[in-house]
Amino acid sequence: EAQVTQNPRYLITVTGKKLTVTCSQNMNHEYMSWYRQDPGLGLRQIYYSMNVEVTDKGDVPEGYKVSRKEKRNFPLILESPSPNQTSLYFCASSLGGGPDTQYFGPGTRLTVL
Amino acid sequence: AQSVTQLDSQVPVFEEAPVELRCNYSSSVSVYLFWYVQYPNQGLQLLLKYLSGSTLVKGINGFEAEFNKSQTSFHLRKPSVHISDTAEYFCAVNLNTGFQKLVFGTGTRLLVSP
Repeated sequence: EAQVTQNPRYLITVTGKKLTVTCSQNMNHEYMSWYRQDPGLGLRQIYYSMNVEVTDKGDVPEGYKVSRKEKRNFPLILESPSPNQTSLYFCASSLGGGPDTQYFGPGTRLTVL
Repeated sequence: AQSVTQLDSQVPVFEEAPVELRCNYSSSVSVYLFWYVQYPNQGLQLLLKYLSGSTLVKGINGFEAEFNKSQTSFHLRKPSVHISDTAEYFCAVNLNTGFQKLVFGTGTRLLVSP
């Protein structure tokens, strides 16, 4: 089954404790993105990747890191999480650029205390 | 920079009634337009998209949307809603480049009651 998976689905952590949210797709897609969803703000792009070893900042990259060492994986790293990073996070992938449909993972709900 | 406005944060409607969810965008270049739906506790999935050609686009689950360039709008419609259509709906735009950057609206929660 074609899908985007994220782990964990739920995470409660404390300020400053490094964490990684994994994202994996099995569709051989080139493009991958991370979004955060906050009430009243919709989804905002954090980082995106156009291919292996090619990443760039989205609209809200502060406090996040990403890497793309393999085509299928695109982990999101929070090196020192803060309470304002409490949010619902989505990973997405697409075959290519602009007109292509993005396929979303099920989401990761992160709470930083 | 492009932006997307969804004026209605919540739209209550009775089952079998028609519904229209409004979306306006601003961009100085041509765009691709999308509607995504998010059912409770799930990720987003594509309802429909406009790339070019016919301005009336049909999507899944009986939804359709019309692209109006002069009004910079891409409103979503369904002639008769079901309880199962209760969800949050997001309008999104992407610049007409090779670049993958979706800009989302703030979402409209559709509440269908019996």
